[in-house]
Amino acid sequence: GAVVSQHPSWVICKSGTSVKIECRSLDFQATTMFWYRQFPKQSLMLMATSNEGSKATYEQGVEKDKFLINHASLTLSTLTVTSAHPEDSSFYICSATGKTTSGELFFGEGSRLTVL
Amino acid sequence: GENVEQHPSTLSVQEGDSAVIKCTYSDSASNYFPWYKQELGKRPQLIIDIRSNVGEKKDQRIAVTLNKTAKHFSLHITETQPEDSAVYFCAAGGYQKVTFGTGTKLQVIP
Repeated sequence: GAVVSQHPSWVICKSGTSVKIECRSLDFQATTMFWYRQFPKQSLMLMATSNEGSKATYEQGVEKDKFLINHASLTLSTLTVTSAHPEDSSFYICSATGKTTSGELFFGEGSRLTVL
Repeated sequence: GENVEQHPSTLSVQEGDSAVIKCTYSDSASNYFPWYKQELGKRPQLIIDIRSNVGEKKDQRIAVTLNKTAKHFSLHITETQPEDSAVYFCAAGGYQKVTFGTGTKLQVIP
């Protein structure tokens, strides 16, 4: 199957700083990428949908100014958590799909963010 | 929007027995129903999916059934093995965008 790589796999930062997480499709062009947040023992909650070259569509309740998403190319989307606070600590995971993936979602490894 | 409920939240079975996980969805427009397996701290992996024009699909020990009228779909794992232990998520939605269920933690006891 297609490969999606996410970086970093874990990050610790101080409260008030910003953190950028990258999601890359390695062997296909990802026309759409999704960003999720997963709390321990809970499901994946969709945060936003990112289409290449256009603004991300955020789910209800997700602050777009806090979670900045950029999908500048067909192989890269980034999620920036701005002015992070301890309550932003979570497992963030991306998925990607494209014209050659038959609609299937391919997930990145996930990034565990801890805000001190 | 779509709302997906999943039961049970935890399931313990003896090795070799069958496991069944059930999901319901709310949006009659949903036409794609994938199932994912997620091991602790790892990414979800697609194990099987079904589309609305099919009532049942099987892949070795795994099968999925879909009842569009009742808006139910189920995952069946036969001859369970310890390596099947993980969290399983159902999902429902369109071809690329889906809503996930709450997850079922499956434990297969050797």
